[in-house]
Amino acid sequence: NAGVMQNPRHLVRRRGQEARLRCSPMKGHSHVYWYRQLPEEGLKFMVYLQKENIIDESGMPKERFSAEFPKEGPSILRIQQVVRGDSAAYFCASSPPGWGEKLFFGSGTQLSVL
Amino acid sequence: RKEVEQDPGPFNVPEGATVAFNCTYSNSASQSFFWYRQDCRKEPKLLMSVYSSGNEDGRFTAQLNRASQYISLLIRDSKLSDSATYLCVVIISGNTPLVFGKGTRLSVIA
Repeated sequence: NAGVMQNPRHLVRRRGQEARLRCSPMKGHSHVYWYRQLPEEGLKFMVYLQKENIIDESGMPKERFSAEFPKEGPSILRIQQVVRGDSAAYFCASSPPGWGEKLFFGSGTQLSVL
Repeated sequence: RKEVEQDPGPFNVPEGATVAFNCTYSNSASQSFFWYRQDCRKEPKLLMSVYSSGNEDGRFTAQLNRASQYISLLIRDSKLSDSATYLCVVIISGNTPLVFGKGTRLSVIA
């Protein structure tokens, strides 16, 4: 029973490039959450999705960031025209239907912007 | 005032010691509380939920004080493997995301 799978584990991009982060939830989980952790900071909520639907994107920056969770395939967090300040660990978590008090996290994607 | 505040530490304690962390939250309507553990920038993992009546899991005891709006985590007989960052987590209401504190770093020294 695989856990939450994120890839890539590490991603290096130059300023101005696009970053795509993927997340496959645990089997049986239909809800996905994305969190960002800046160096020496806590985890900050970004977005909560279920299949083909964004439930809450109150934590997403207004520009350059988007997320989706299609009917088939993993959830994607997309960052366009990356800047150095986007360098962080991006964690995905999943839960069964509902907000989920107990989240199961993936190993994260460490994004480094040069 | 931040939603969830923790002393960042580090707390450096010898093996076998008892150590306690506190966490304060700003929203008195907060409903659910948890402690997560995070090792070396790896993914956070649920350590335990925190109930009004307090709860214990082996060497770990969690308490909630609603009147003063804080939760605590007590670790008895510390092990080297307890070295990690402990994250205080709060849910304000049933349809809001988990809010994480910045964490308290614990180092258990041989």
